[in-house]
Amino acid sequence: DQQVKQNSPSLSVQEGRISILNCDYTNSMFDYFLWYKKYPAEGPTFLISISSIKDKNEDGRFTVFLNKSAKHLSLHIVPSQPGDSAVYFCAASALYGGSQGNLIFGKGTKLSVKP
Amino acid sequence: NAGVMQNPRHLVRRRGQEARLRCSPMKGHSHVYWYRQLPEEGLKFMVYLQKENIIDESGMPKERFSAEFPKEGPSILRIQQVVRGDSAAYFCASSEGIEQFFGPGTRLTVL
Repeated sequence: DQQVKQNSPSLSVQEGRISILNCDYTNSMFDYFLWYKKYPAEGPTFLISISSIKDKNEDGRFTVFLNKSAKHLSLHIVPSQPGDSAVYFCAASALYGGSQGNLIFGKGTKLSVKP
Repeated sequence: NAGVMQNPRHLVRRRGQEARLRCSPMKGHSHVYWYRQLPEEGLKFMVYLQKENIIDESGMPKERFSAEFPKEGPSILRIQQVVRGDSAAYFCASSEGIEQFFGPGTRLTVL
């Protein structure tokens, strides 16, 4: 039973264009969502987060959109740079729903940005 | 560098041996989480600890696995009598708010 799904295992984008990474969830108790970026042989690095009371959060080149009715969120990276090439994980938490804050992760999407 | 520290980075054990993984949280953080990542999978929650207390161990296998976060010193994830299926990357994260910050991980290989 996968509560957080990233249906695209990989995505290839040209440098300078927009990268859109998608994430779907099934648990309506999730109230906080995070995106992490991971390079091989390193730990995940926190990128950006969004609370369920918002529908958009922006930080520099990164914007996360949340559609609660569709149980869908997306991460937009614009413009994409070769250094953005990594695996991106979507994670969710039912922080106020009794989960104690532990994160539920998707399987990740491998982004390749071509020069 | 005041990030989350994990050691060792790589650990090789034979079946039946014990594995001890250490995690020092970021300075000022009192919440520690352990996650396991199998190949081609996302990270799976194992256990959540605060100083001297296990808060949530719902993701921890019932046997052979234990975790502690003593008043002094790092958090320890202990795996007794390791089996080949324990081979994975084990990540520790710390927080003092909602966002969790991860260490570089320990890659455990069981021969």
